[in-house]
Amino acid sequence: DVKVTQSSRYLVKRTGEKVFLECVQDMDHENMFWYRQDPGLGLRLIYFSYDVKMKEKGDIPEGYSVSREKKERFSLILESASTNQTSMYLCASSLFLGGAKETQYFGPGTRLLVL
Amino acid sequence: AQSVTQPDIHITVSEGASLELRCNYSYGATPYLFWYVQSPGQGLQLLLKYFSGDTLVQGIKGFEAEFKRSQSSFNLRKPSVHWSDAAEYFCAVGAREYGNKLVFGAGTILRVKS
Repeated sequence: DVKVTQSSRYLVKRTGEKVFLECVQDMDHENMFWYRQDPGLGLRLIYFSYDVKMKEKGDIPEGYSVSREKKERFSLILESASTNQTSMYLCASSLFLGGAKETQYFGPGTRLLVL
Repeated sequence: AQSVTQPDIHITVSEGASLELRCNYSYGATPYLFWYVQSPGQGLQLLLKYFSGDTLVQGIKGFEAEFKRSQSSFNLRKPSVHWSDAAEYFCAVGAREYGNKLVFGAGTILRVKS
């Protein structure tokens, strides 16, 4: 079974702090994704990566950056956390071969509270 | 641009009753369609997906969905709901032209009455 793990289930940070959210997958997937989930808005794509050191902006990249130094690990960075970044953050991975047909496998999520 | 509409934010059904969750999408060509489920405290899990062929697709946990091109819909159904089906359900759309990305609907929260 594919396993996607996220470094924290819950995080509390202060406004202005730099925040790192880590995601690791164990199935050698090329694609990795970061979403934020908010009630009534569903999942919105922040960034995705289809290869090591490659990244592409999603629909809401402002205030975020990402890093992918190894194939299995994809990090989301909040350079200066703000209260409007309080949310649930979900990481996912998928194979590259089938493109959008491929199933995305999700981690359990990190619930971030910015005070 | 692709968009996905799930018109029902909340749905409550009695255990043993049938269920239909609605999903409408906006896209010109044949999209790739997915239903995911999120149980409380969990990530999303794929229930089923449709790319082409038979418009009625079967998924896990007794769910099925029907693609209707004329209505731009991909509704999820289950003939008899179990209490363990209480969760949030997301419809998602992808397309070859948009690479590996999916667009998700806002979700429908299912409550099951015993």
